[in-house]
Amino acid sequence: SFVLAQPPSVSVAPGKTATFTCGANNIGSKSVHWYQQRPGQAPVLVIYYDYVRPSGIPERFSGSNSGNTATLTISRVEPGDEADYYCQLWDSSNDRGVFGGGTKLTVL
Amino acid sequence: QVQLVESGGGVFQAGRSLRLSCVGSGFTFSDYGMHWVRQAPGKGLEWVAVISLDGSNKYYADSVRGRFTISRDNSQNTLWLQVDSLRSEDTAVYYCARPPPGITLASTKFDNWGQGSLVTVAS
Repeated sequence: SFVLAQPPSVSVAPGKTATFTCGANNIGSKSVHWYQQRPGQAPVLVIYYDYVRPSGIPERFSGSNSGNTATLTISRVEPGDEADYYCQLWDSSNDRGVFGGGTKLTVL
Repeated sequence: QVQLVESGGGVFQAGRSLRLSCVGSGFTFSDYGMHWVRQAPGKGLEWVAVISLDGSNKYYADSVRGRFTISRDNSQNTLWLQVDSLRSEDTAVYYCARPPPGITLASTKFDNWGQGSLVTVAS
Protein backbone atom coordinates (compact mmCIF):
# COMPACT_ATOMS: atom_id res chain seq x y z
CA SER A 1 0.00 0.00 0.00
CA PHE A 2 1.05 3.58 -0.59
CA VAL A 3 2.40 5.97 2.03
CA LEU A 4 2.96 9.45 0.59
CA ALA A 5 5.82 11.45 2.07
CA GLN A 6 5.70 15.25 1.97
CA PRO A 7 8.09 17.66 3.70
CA PRO A 8 6.26 19.57 6.42
CA SER A 9 7.18 23.04 5.23
CA VAL A 10 8.49 25.10 2.36
CA SER A 11 9.44 28.77 2.51
CA VAL A 12 9.94 31.02 -0.48
CA ALA A 13 10.16 34.72 -1.23
CA PRO A 14 7.51 36.39 -3.38
CA GLY A 15 8.21 36.06 -7.07
CA LYS A 16 10.34 32.96 -6.61
CA THR A 17 9.50 29.32 -7.31
CA ALA A 18 8.08 26.91 -4.74
CA THR A 19 8.56 23.18 -5.20
CA PHE A 20 6.57 20.54 -3.34
CA THR A 21 7.51 16.89 -3.43
CA CYS A 22 5.42 13.79 -2.79
CA GLY A 23 7.40 10.60 -2.48
CA ALA A 24 6.47 6.94 -2.62
CA ASN A 25 7.84 3.79 -4.19
CA ASN A 26 7.01 3.83 -7.90
CA ILE A 27 4.56 6.71 -7.52
CA GLY A 28 5.20 7.44 -11.18
CA SER A 29 2.95 4.50 -12.03
CA LYS A 30 -0.04 6.24 -10.40
CA SER A 31 -2.05 9.37 -11.13
CA VAL A 32 -1.34 12.03 -8.51
CA HIS A 33 -3.54 14.95 -7.61
CA TRP A 34 -2.73 18.10 -5.61
CA TYR A 35 -4.90 20.25 -3.36
CA GLN A 36 -4.46 23.68 -1.87
CA GLN A 37 -6.03 24.33 1.51
CA ARG A 38 -6.08 27.81 2.98
CA PRO A 39 -6.71 28.18 6.73
CA GLY A 40 -10.32 27.55 7.66
CA GLN A 41 -11.30 26.54 4.15
CA ALA A 42 -12.01 23.32 2.31
CA PRO A 43 -9.34 21.93 -0.01
CA VAL A 44 -9.27 23.00 -3.65
CA LEU A 45 -7.97 20.83 -6.48
CA VAL A 46 -5.07 22.61 -8.21
CA ILE A 47 -3.48 19.81 -10.29
CA TYR A 48 -4.91 16.44 -11.36
CA TYR A 49 -3.63 13.46 -13.32
CA ASP A 50 -0.08 14.56 -12.49
CA TYR A 51 0.02 17.78 -14.49
CA VAL A 52 -3.46 18.93 -15.58
CA ARG A 53 -4.73 22.27 -14.27
CA PRO A 54 -8.46 22.64 -13.57
CA SER A 55 -10.13 25.66 -15.08
CA GLY A 56 -9.53 28.74 -12.97
CA ILE A 57 -6.16 27.61 -11.63
CA PRO A 58 -3.35 29.94 -12.74
CA GLU A 59 -0.73 28.75 -15.19
CA ARG A 60 1.83 29.37 -12.45
CA PHE A 61 0.79 25.97 -11.05
CA SER A 62 2.32 22.93 -12.72
CA GLY A 63 2.95 19.30 -11.89
CA SER A 64 5.02 16.29 -12.85
CA ASN A 65 5.37 12.68 -11.77
CA SER A 66 8.13 10.18 -12.44
CA GLY A 67 9.88 7.38 -10.66
CA ASN A 68 9.46 7.73 -6.91
CA THR A 69 8.53 11.43 -6.78
CA ALA A 70 5.60 13.58 -7.83
CA THR A 71 6.17 17.33 -7.85
CA LEU A 72 3.99 20.42 -7.67
CA THR A 73 5.62 23.66 -8.72
CA ILE A 74 4.33 27.17 -8.17
CA SER A 75 6.14 29.81 -10.22
CA ARG A 76 6.19 33.50 -9.35
CA VAL A 77 4.84 32.82 -5.89
CA GLU A 78 2.37 35.36 -4.49
CA PRO A 79 1.39 36.01 -0.87
CA GLY A 80 -2.05 34.56 -1.64
CA ASP A 81 -0.45 31.19 -2.38
CA GLU A 82 0.33 30.73 1.30
CA ALA A 83 -1.52 27.54 2.26
CA ASP A 84 -1.14 23.84 2.92
CA TYR A 85 -0.62 21.62 -0.11
CA TYR A 86 -1.56 17.94 -0.19
CA CYS A 87 -0.84 15.23 -2.71
CA GLN A 88 -3.33 12.39 -3.18
CA LEU A 89 -3.77 9.21 -5.15
CA TRP A 90 -6.12 6.24 -5.30
CA ASP A 91 -4.62 2.94 -4.15
CA SER A 92 -6.39 0.45 -6.41
CA SER A 93 -4.82 -2.55 -4.69
CA ASN A 94 -6.71 -1.72 -1.50
CA ASP A 95 -9.54 0.44 -2.88
CA ARG A 96 -8.73 3.38 -0.68
CA GLY A 97 -7.76 7.00 -1.01
CA VAL A 98 -4.36 8.13 0.20
CA PHE A 99 -3.22 11.64 1.12
CA GLY A 100 0.24 12.87 1.89
CA GLY A 101 0.82 14.56 5.22
CA GLY A 102 0.77 18.00 3.60
CA THR A 103 3.32 20.79 3.15
CA LYS A 104 2.81 24.26 4.56
CA LEU A 105 3.92 27.02 2.21
CA THR A 106 5.18 30.17 3.88
CA VAL A 107 5.70 33.21 1.66
CA LEU A 108 8.49 35.25 3.23
CA GLN B 1 -23.30 25.41 -9.50
CA VAL B 2 -22.24 22.33 -7.56
CA GLN B 3 -22.94 22.55 -3.85
CA LEU B 4 -22.26 20.06 -1.09
CA VAL B 5 -23.60 20.95 2.35
CA GLU B 6 -22.70 18.87 5.39
CA SER B 7 -24.55 18.88 8.68
CA GLY B 8 -24.85 16.86 11.87
CA GLY B 9 -21.65 17.83 13.62
CA GLY B 10 -21.36 19.02 17.20
CA VAL B 11 -20.06 17.87 20.57
CA PHE B 12 -20.65 14.22 21.43
CA GLN B 13 -19.70 11.95 24.28
CA ALA B 14 -17.24 9.16 23.68
CA GLY B 15 -18.98 5.87 23.04
CA ARG B 16 -22.08 7.47 21.55
CA SER B 17 -23.16 7.54 17.90
CA LEU B 18 -23.80 10.25 15.37
CA ARG B 19 -24.91 10.57 11.76
CA LEU B 20 -23.50 13.16 9.42
CA SER B 21 -25.38 14.27 6.32
CA CYS B 22 -24.27 15.79 3.03
CA VAL B 23 -26.82 17.19 0.60
CA GLY B 24 -25.75 17.71 -2.99
CA SER B 25 -27.24 20.17 -5.46
CA GLY B 26 -26.44 21.57 -8.87
CA PHE B 27 -25.67 18.15 -10.35
CA THR B 28 -27.21 14.73 -10.90
CA PHE B 29 -26.39 13.12 -7.57
CA SER B 30 -26.93 9.55 -8.79
CA ASP B 31 -24.20 9.93 -11.45
CA TYR B 32 -21.47 10.19 -8.84
CA GLY B 33 -19.84 7.99 -6.29
CA MET B 34 -19.32 10.00 -3.11
CA HIS B 35 -16.59 10.16 -0.47
CA TRP B 36 -16.02 11.29 3.08
CA VAL B 37 -12.67 12.83 4.05
CA ARG B 38 -11.81 14.07 7.53
CA GLN B 39 -9.24 16.37 9.07
CA ALA B 40 -8.34 16.34 12.75
CA PRO B 41 -7.53 19.75 14.27
CA GLY B 42 -4.13 20.94 13.05
CA LYS B 43 -3.60 17.71 11.11
CA GLY B 44 -3.70 16.57 7.51
CA LEU B 45 -6.44 15.15 5.35
CA GLU B 46 -7.52 11.54 5.84
CA TRP B 47 -9.70 9.65 3.39
CA VAL B 48 -12.53 7.87 5.24
CA ALA B 49 -14.95 6.08 2.93
CA VAL B 50 -16.53 5.87 -0.53
CA ILE B 51 -19.89 4.69 -1.79
CA SER B 52 -20.76 3.75 -5.36
CA LEU B 53 -23.41 5.43 -7.50
CA ASP B 54 -26.20 3.11 -6.40
CA GLY B 55 -24.89 2.37 -2.93
CA SER B 56 -24.06 -1.25 -3.69
CA ASN B 57 -20.32 -0.94 -3.09
CA LYS B 58 -18.63 0.67 -0.10
CA TYR B 59 -15.00 0.89 0.96
CA TYR B 60 -13.50 2.19 4.17
CA ALA B 61 -10.18 3.28 5.62
CA ASP B 62 -8.68 0.69 7.94
CA SER B 63 -8.88 3.17 10.81
CA VAL B 64 -12.69 3.36 10.66
CA ARG B 65 -13.82 0.01 9.25
CA GLY B 66 -16.35 -1.65 11.52
CA ARG B 67 -17.45 1.58 13.26
CA PHE B 68 -18.34 3.83 10.31
CA THR B 69 -21.09 3.20 7.77
CA ILE B 70 -21.50 5.19 4.58
CA SER B 71 -24.89 5.27 2.86
CA ARG B 72 -26.89 7.35 0.41
CA ASP B 73 -30.39 8.10 -0.85
CA ASN B 74 -30.35 9.31 -4.43
CA SER B 75 -34.01 10.36 -4.27
CA GLN B 76 -33.03 12.86 -1.57
CA ASN B 77 -29.60 13.75 -3.02
CA THR B 78 -28.18 12.86 0.36
CA LEU B 79 -25.07 11.09 1.59
CA TRP B 80 -24.67 9.94 5.18
CA LEU B 81 -21.91 8.79 7.48
CA GLN B 82 -22.94 6.85 10.56
CA VAL B 83 -20.26 6.85 13.26
CA ASP B 84 -20.64 4.42 16.15
CA SER B 85 -18.64 4.00 19.36
CA LEU B 86 -17.17 7.48 19.07
CA ARG B 87 -13.55 7.90 20.12
CA SER B 88 -11.52 11.01 20.89
CA GLU B 89 -9.51 10.38 17.73
CA ASP B 90 -12.69 10.85 15.67
CA THR B 91 -12.59 14.57 16.53
CA ALA B 92 -12.25 16.22 13.12
CA VAL B 93 -13.86 18.27 10.41
CA TYR B 94 -15.70 15.85 8.12
CA TYR B 95 -15.95 16.77 4.45
CA CYS B 96 -18.01 15.14 1.76
CA ALA B 97 -16.23 15.17 -1.58
CA ARG B 98 -17.36 14.54 -5.14
CA PRO B 99 -15.13 12.75 -7.66
CA PRO B 100 -15.60 12.72 -11.45
CA PRO B 101 -18.79 11.03 -12.67
CA GLY B 102 -18.94 7.32 -13.36
CA ILE B 103 -18.30 3.99 -11.72
CA THR B 104 -14.55 3.66 -11.81
CA LEU B 105 -12.50 4.38 -8.70
CA ALA B 106 -9.16 4.22 -10.46
CA SER B 107 -7.29 7.53 -10.38
CA THR B 108 -10.09 9.06 -8.26
CA LYS B 109 -9.68 12.76 -7.47
CA PHE B 110 -11.90 15.12 -5.53
CA ASP B 111 -13.30 17.86 -7.73
CA ASN B 112 -15.72 19.40 -5.26
CA TRP B 113 -15.81 19.62 -1.47
CA GLY B 114 -18.37 20.71 1.08
CA GLN B 115 -17.54 23.27 3.74
CA GLY B 116 -17.14 20.56 6.36
CA SER B 117 -18.87 19.63 9.60
CA LEU B 118 -16.94 19.69 12.87
CA VAL B 119 -17.30 16.73 15.19
CA THR B 120 -15.85 17.01 18.68
CA VAL B 121 -15.75 13.94 20.88
CA ALA B 122 -15.63 14.64 24.60
CA SER B 123 -14.29 11.97 26.92
